[in-house]
Amino acid sequence: DGGITQSPKYLFRKEGQNVTLSCEQNLNHDAMYWYRQDPGQGLRLIYYSQIVNDFQKGDIAEGYSVSREKKESFPLTVTSAQKNPTAFYLCASSGPRDTGELFFGEGSRLTVL
Amino acid sequence: GQNIDQPTEMTATEGAIVQINCTYQTSGFNGLFWYQQHAGEAPTFLSYNVLDGLEEKGRFSSFLSRSKGYSYLLLKELQMKDSASYLCAVMDSNYQLIWGAGTKLIIKP
Repeated sequence: DGGITQSPKYLFRKEGQNVTLSCEQNLNHDAMYWYRQDPGQGLRLIYYSQIVNDFQKGDIAEGYSVSREKKESFPLTVTSAQKNPTAFYLCASSGPRDTGELFFGEGSRLTVL
Repeated sequence: GQNIDQPTEMTATEGAIVQINCTYQTSGFNGLFWYQQHAGEAPTFLSYNVLDGLEEKGRFSSFLSRSKGYSYLLLKELQMKDSASYLCAVMDSNYQLIWGAGTKLIIKP
């Protein structure tokens, strides 16, 4: 079945370590997104990519990096520069702009120890 | 600035009807979305409104008034499984989604 797969579902990190969250989709979507979700707040956009080998910063890109070498894959690295990385991270993809519907992965919960 | 407002939490009774409101102020408008999110899970798509009026889909309906910057999600015949957060999101003139903080709906027997 088509969908988006995120891994790992749960991740623990020590302060000062970089971690990479995986996101793979087989929906043949061009656009992919990374969001961060904190309690009591709306989804906040970290990075997005409309096409392979191109990506744009969202509202809270500082301390994060991404790559888009393949259409199917959009990994997110949470670097040691991110001051408050403990959060629920959601990857999503979308088809043509006029439909706009986002398809989400199951999410990755990162906890910094 | 861009802003989406929705109530933080609502409580309703199993079998009843509940209306969750969403008001927005955005730079342009290319549609409004409602998503359902159970605790610890990813959001799932419920509805999309781009024209004024009511869209009905089974027990769920969504209404839009673009002139008032207002939408609501109506849930009928509430079931315990409807306990979740409901997220309102607006697509702005740049086709970016602006998200509300979500409304946590608690269903009581």
